Amino acid sequence: DTGVSQNPRHKITKRGQNVTFRCDPISEHNRLYWYRQTLGQGPEFLTYFQNEAQLEKSRLLSDRFSAERPKGSFSTLEIQRTEQGDSAMYLCASSLVRDSTDGYTFGSGTRLTVV
Amino acid sequence: AQTVTQSQPEMSVQEAETVTLSCTYDTSENNYYLFWYKQPPSRQMILVIRQEAYKQQNATENRFSVNFQKAAKSFSLKISDSQLGDTAMYFCAFGSLGAGNNRKLIWGLGTSLAVNP
Repeated sequence: DTGVSQNPRHKITKRGQNVTFRCDPISEHNRLYWYRQTLGQGPEFLTYFQNEAQLEKSRLLSDRFSAERPKGSFSTLEIQRTEQGDSAMYLCASSLVRDSTDGYTFGSGTRLTVV
Repeated sequence: AQTVTQSQPEMSVQEAETVTLSCTYDTSENNYYLFWYKQPPSRQMILVIRQEAYKQQNATENRFSVNFQKAAKSFSLKISDSQLGDTAMYFCAFGSLGAGNNRKLIWGLGTSLAVNP
């Protein structure tokens, strides 16, 4: 297992287009998180899955955003009708639920630029 | 709601010296955990060190150690014998351990650390 994998690494799109990002978590991790990070800021929580169930969505996740995790494995994050304000780094992280603390393992992120 | 504050946007240190990054947080919970993450330029976020709130002993990981003051809600990171590879953005993060919690983390704005040769 090579860790959390995110594709693509970079995406440039025109305003109004749809984009989809993929995240492959560590195989035994049952929790998967999506965060958004803009320049000079810490990550902001978007949504998370436990197995295939999406258990929480942030208010930041407007109706243009949708995330899925079919079969509890990889996850996709789709942004429809992209806007310039969507430009950011989209981070995926996974973790294994344990009784003790379980730090995330992050992917390298997908940098989205909307022009 | 929980908040995390990192009051030092930028810091610099000479190679081999020691530097301390500050983090304070606000919560009404008693059961939680704290993290320091490192994000090198254009590279992924990496866990540096973690601390469970119920543990009085400060966590250490090689050259990295924390000073956890629960009553003061302070969680500083000390980097000893700084190396050029420590140059990165450092984020402090808070996670609740409450029942049913989703384990999402609340993040500070980060401290940009430059290690100078």
